[in-house]
Amino acid sequence: GEDVEQSLFLSVREGDSSVINCTYTDSSSTYLYWYKQEPGAGLQLLTYIFSNMDMKQDQRLTVLLNKKDKHLSLRIADTQTGDSAIYFCADSINSYQKVTFGTGTKLQVIP
Amino acid sequence: EPEVTQTPSHQVTQMGQEVILRCVPISNHLYFYWYRQILGQKVEFLVSFYNNEISEKSEIFDDQFSVERPDGSNFTLKIRSTKLEDSAMYFCASREGTDTQYFGPGTRLTVL
Repeated sequence: GEDVEQSLFLSVREGDSSVINCTYTDSSSTYLYWYKQEPGAGLQLLTYIFSNMDMKQDQRLTVLLNKKDKHLSLRIADTQTGDSAIYFCADSINSYQKVTFGTGTKLQVIP
Repeated sequence: EPEVTQTPSHQVTQMGQEVILRCVPISNHLYFYWYRQILGQKVEFLVSFYNNEISEKSEIFDDQFSVERPDGSNFTLKIRSTKLEDSAMYFCASREGTDTQYFGPGTRLTVL
């Protein structure tokens, strides 16, 4: 993709839902990803959605895609302290080309 | 579950020295990638590699960088003469077929 933007910081209380938003500019992006990075750790693929889908749910995670607005969101239900991390939105045109990452959103969960 | 592994986890080097960062991709994967993340910045694509040649590279991947698959299991990134601005976390990724890319834990490179 060309550019991927996210807000830098989100703070939520334990047990609440978190919603992390992302916008991307490349209309030819086919894969849209969410990665999690815990302090000092690598990039963990949480989930991804194809551009022909509107929504994907995986346990506590819900991904919503508005392709018209190029807007992607990640909702974490019942947020736990273990969810505290940096969440990266990313896209790619296809599975074999480069992944373009956003700046990352630092999620702070307050007990 | 198979994982991408990287060694070392942290490398400290003097400016001007050569470093080699090592990655062991998931065993049946055929496509390999390097990315880097300067502290506090975005993860940036460096290079992709398939069938023993570079498929795509970014403008960051200049003549100081090279990649190699020296044997059937390792994938390496060499920085010929390190600069201070090469200090970053370097991530290796691999992919099988049309599947998504799986990332390793990263090597933190510190250039003094």
